[in-house]
Amino acid sequence: AQSVTQLGSHVSVSEGALVLLRCNYSSSVPPYLFWYVQYPNQGLQLLLKYTSAATLVKGINGFEAEFKKSETSFHLTKPSAHMSDAAEYFCAVTANTNAGKSTFGDGTTLTVKP
Amino acid sequence: GAGVSQSPRYKVAKRGQDVALRCDPISGHVSLFWYQQALGQGPEFLTYFQNEAQLDKSGLPSDRFFAERPEGSVSTLKIQRTQQEDSAVYLCASSLEVGTGNEQFFGPGTRLTVL
Repeated sequence: AQSVTQLGSHVSVSEGALVLLRCNYSSSVPPYLFWYVQYPNQGLQLLLKYTSAATLVKGINGFEAEFKKSETSFHLTKPSAHMSDAAEYFCAVTANTNAGKSTFGDGTTLTVKP
Repeated sequence: GAGVSQSPRYKVAKRGQDVALRCDPISGHVSLFWYQQALGQGPEFLTYFQNEAQLDKSGLPSDRFFAERPEGSVSTLKIQRTQQEDSAVYLCASSLEVGTGNEQFFGPGTRLTVL
């Protein structure tokens, strides 16, 4: 069984400030972890993924995430927020015992204030 | 290159009607997934195809939901006798290969509203 908890359904930051979106997971087997971004009326776009290689993963648009097994966390960060980062972000976990069936968190809406 | 496309983008159905939602995956992609996304929630897995074989349908909420991918390319999700609780965005995703670490490419979704 696998599950994802995203802490904070809404996060608001000022432009240029640090972005931190939290994700904790539960998985009975070693997980693969993903962060997706969703803009209004669009599909999900992959930001980055962890697949048991380096624990610090760099993605697109300056985002990165660190896999911490001891904390069962995979938080998403970006040093400096940009207005275009305003969107909804989803964390997802996939157990490596199936063919890619992903379990998603409920999402975090990021607002960037000028 | 073309991404995953879905049609229609919006569908309004009266309760009790049957609907069919279409997904055109990226050409050559082996894996195809359907997800249901209720308002304010993350996507929830419905079913998975590897080529034309439906290998996992554990997420289909009832026997009113049926999916097919007869030629291993285009897929259709059919909902019979729609109910108000079926209102959601239905997302399709495809992946080039089989495997849990492969990126899934998502379509824009079909927003179904059941009145």
